Amino acid sequence: KNEVEQSPQNLTAQEGEFITINCSYSVGISALHWLQQHPGGGIVSLFMLSSGKKKHGRLIATINIQEKHSSLHITASHPRDSAVYICARRDGGSQGNLIFGKGTKLSVKP
Amino acid sequence: GAVVSQHPSWVICKSGTSVKIECRSLDFQATTMFWYRQFPKQSLMLMATSNEGSKATYEQGVEKDKFLINHASLTLSTLTVTSAHPEDSSFYICSATPHPRGAEKLFFGSGTQLSVL
Repeated sequence: KNEVEQSPQNLTAQEGEFITINCSYSVGISALHWLQQHPGGGIVSLFMLSSGKKKHGRLIATINIQEKHSSLHITASHPRDSAVYICARRDGGSQGNLIFGKGTKLSVKP
Repeated sequence: GAVVSQHPSWVICKSGTSVKIECRSLDFQATTMFWYRQFPKQSLMLMATSNEGSKATYEQGVEKDKFLINHASLTLSTLTVTSAHPEDSSFYICSATPHPRGAEKLFFGSGTQLSVL
């Protein structure tokens, strides 16, 4: 059983739309990561969250520790945002391994 | 920013042969590197933690004699898939960090798509 659940699995949007990707986990965490995996497979780290909200450009990540839920938002989406977005929680405290969600495949149409 | 280089990007090999994948940290020293495997439409799964100068730590279910890891220097870890079989066909990706575990950013290689015929 994957302890990190993402929704939706697939998402198609028109350019300019506001995107929300959700991530839920079942146990308490010390940190949660959002990653972007490009079509070729390469992975880029977007955010690490332990509380509250972080913003970088058009990307916003929020986390609610009590509800064990995090969201990744993309404002004014663009075709170049098309990728798989993965959330991952750190297992067993700050020194633990990462447990990954299956990812959300985003396609932004021009 | 920190860069992790992984080679090759893709490899096709015959069943029974061995394949070596390299993971290099280009502008920082990494005492620890991580090797992951990803099957299509599945999550990244940690295979092993590579420790410079010592034996790798393998996750449950990962055969250490089949997936040989060598971390001989602070900038290079290699994963060798020995006697590869078609079921080993997968996407393999490494990661490293210039900071202690739990740090802000993670740095990944570009991944290696292995196809075993």
